[in-house]
Amino acid sequence: GDSVTQMEGPVTLSEEACLTINCTYTATGYPSLFWYVQYPGEGLQLLLKATKADDKGSNKGFEATYRKETTSFHLEKGSVQVSDSAVYFCALTPNSGNTPLVFGKGTRLSVIA
Amino acid sequence: DTGVSQNPRHKITKRGQNVTFRCDPISEHNRLYWYRQTLGQGPEFLTYFQNEAQLEKSRLLSDRFSAERPKGSFSTLEIQRTEQGDSAMYLCASSLDAGTDTQYFGPGTRLTVL
Repeated sequence: GDSVTQMEGPVTLSEEACLTINCTYTATGYPSLFWYVQYPGEGLQLLLKATKADDKGSNKGFEATYRKETTSFHLEKGSVQVSDSAVYFCALTPNSGNTPLVFGKGTRLSVIA
Repeated sequence: DTGVSQNPRHKITKRGQNVTFRCDPISEHNRLYWYRQTLGQGPEFLTYFQNEAQLEKSRLLSDRFSAERPKGSFSTLEIQRTEQGDSAMYLCASSLDAGTDTQYFGPGTRLTVL
């Protein structure tokens, strides 16, 4: 079945360091890809999305590019802040439609000043 | 737009009791989803509705679980004869029925079964 694999955490970075959280997927058809973020004590929020190959999603300095050839959607940020400390989830909807999300296990990021 | 709301936010119950959770989606969102999240894991799909019709149920949704959305607005998730393994965060999300529209999540209901 469809699945998402993301790098194990926790990840601890100093402020202004570069961030990459790896995400790969297995899916039939043409999935849409998402990154959701969960800040401490808050609900899941959409961070960015991409709906077709080579699309780049971006928001709040984060970026991810839909790579069909490597079935990947890695999350990147050039300079992290303490306020970016959260759990990040990679997810997909299997058929590029409004269907249930399939999530990875999440990666906890801690940014220290 | 007040967002997706869920009640209660926390529920502690004894094994064997029944519990019911409520989700109020964003107004005019006709799709509503239920997910379950256990500690250290990503959310897992349970079931979803388009308007009042329940379109899909996961294998995770045992016969002790039932969900309804009687008028196509709010939804309830009931768990009968709770077990300790039911302890989790239950998340609700809603979206417009329009292609790859974003799912907006509520804050969740944390269930603890003693």
